[in-house]
Amino acid sequence: AQTVTQSQPEMSVQEAETVTLSCTYDTSESNYYLFWYKQPPSRQMILVIRQEAYKQQNATENRFSVNFQKAAKSFSLKISDSQLGDTAMYFCAFIYVQGAQKLVFGQGTRLTINP
Amino acid sequence: DAEITQSPRHKITETGRQVTLACHQTWNHNNMFWYRQDLGHGLRLIHYSYGVQDTNKGEVSDGYSVSRSNTEDLPLTLESAASSQTSVYFCASTQLRLVGETQYFGPGTRLLVL
Repeated sequence: AQTVTQSQPEMSVQEAETVTLSCTYDTSESNYYLFWYKQPPSRQMILVIRQEAYKQQNATENRFSVNFQKAAKSFSLKISDSQLGDTAMYFCAFIYVQGAQKLVFGQGTRLTINP
Repeated sequence: DAEITQSPRHKITETGRQVTLACHQTWNHNNMFWYRQDLGHGLRLIHYSYGVQDTNKGEVSDGYSVSRSNTEDLPLTLESAASSQTSVYFCASTQLRLVGETQYFGPGTRLLVL
């Protein structure tokens, strides 16, 4: 079975600090994709960043970047210069080739950015 | 602008009643998905569809059904609502059956079964 684990239920940092959210996954597949989704209090699910497993280069989107360690099956999200609007639940998710479009989600990390 | 909408946004029902949650997208996406979100479980896949007349069971499909009569809509029906189905439900869609394509999510429906 494919599983995704987020070991930090809650995190809290001060505005402008850098924060890293952890994610590990378990799979026997070699070809897959990883995602980080953000869910603000509005409950909308918003894509933050996407990583293809066959790419060695870590994905970046403005202040958001990932540290993808394929051998360790680790996919952490780094948020630089954190802002109050980054306060949200963050979900790590995984899709493998044989699973077509079926996302497998982690339990989520609640991130609070304090002024 | 194209979008994906869900209705109702909030619903309270009683055990044993049939409930239908609507999902409508205007992107003309072929693929649509229903998830439920519960504390400690993240989002889990209920049903999905790759096109008109196509439906497939997901990880937690017991007690739920879907039908796809057109491209835009994938209604989710709870045949006989149970308290265990109290949850937040999300609909999502993508255009292509390419692995790794980003899924676009609706705003969610909060369902309470008493």
